[in-house]
Amino acid sequence: DGGITQSPKYLFRKEGQNVTLSCEQNLNHDAMYWYRQDPGQGLRLIYYSQIVNDFQKGDIAEGYSVSREKKESFPLTVTSAQKNPTAFYLCASRWLTGANYGYTFGSGTRLTVV
Amino acid sequence: AQSVTQLDSQVPVFEEAPVELRCNYSSSVSVYLFWYVQYPNQGLQLLLKYLSGSTLVKGINGFEAEFNKSQTSFHLRKPSVHISDTAEYFCAVSTLQGAQKLVFGQGTRLTINP
Repeated sequence: DGGITQSPKYLFRKEGQNVTLSCEQNLNHDAMYWYRQDPGQGLRLIYYSQIVNDFQKGDIAEGYSVSREKKESFPLTVTSAQKNPTAFYLCASRWLTGANYGYTFGSGTRLTVV
Repeated sequence: AQSVTQLDSQVPVFEEAPVELRCNYSSSVSVYLFWYVQYPNQGLQLLLKYLSGSTLVKGINGFEAEFNKSQTSFHLRKPSVHISDTAEYFCAVSTLQGAQKLVFGQGTRLTINP
């Protein structure tokens, strides 16, 4: 079955360490997105990529970095510069057919920094 | 830029009662509207979406929503809720132009009491 795989589901890191969250899709979707979820704040866009080797900052990109070397993969690195990295991270991809489009979400990674 | 306001952070209702979750949006261009449901520690599942056509949209699990352009609203309704509907619900908007980023509201936690 096609979908988005985020791994791991739970991740613990010590403060000051960089950590990379994996996002892989086998849907052949061009666009991919990373969102951060905090209680009571909804989902906020971190980075997005519309094609391979290109990506743009979202609303809260500070302290994060991404790469898009392959269509299927869009990993997110949470750097030590991110002041409050503990959160739930969701990856998504977008499909487009004419004027119709939609989004597929992964099951998320919960990052806890101690 | 687009924005979304979900007017209630929490909505408690009794089982088999009707429910309405309110969503208002702001945008200078035409938008597409979405409702997603999230169960604990999971990704987002699409309930329904409005792209064009009939303003009354029917979705999964007996939910429906009505697009009201003059009031810039997209309220979600269900005539009779079940315990299994307990979850967090997110309203989101996007546009056909540009990067088609999803912009989310803050979420509404629906709690069903027996």
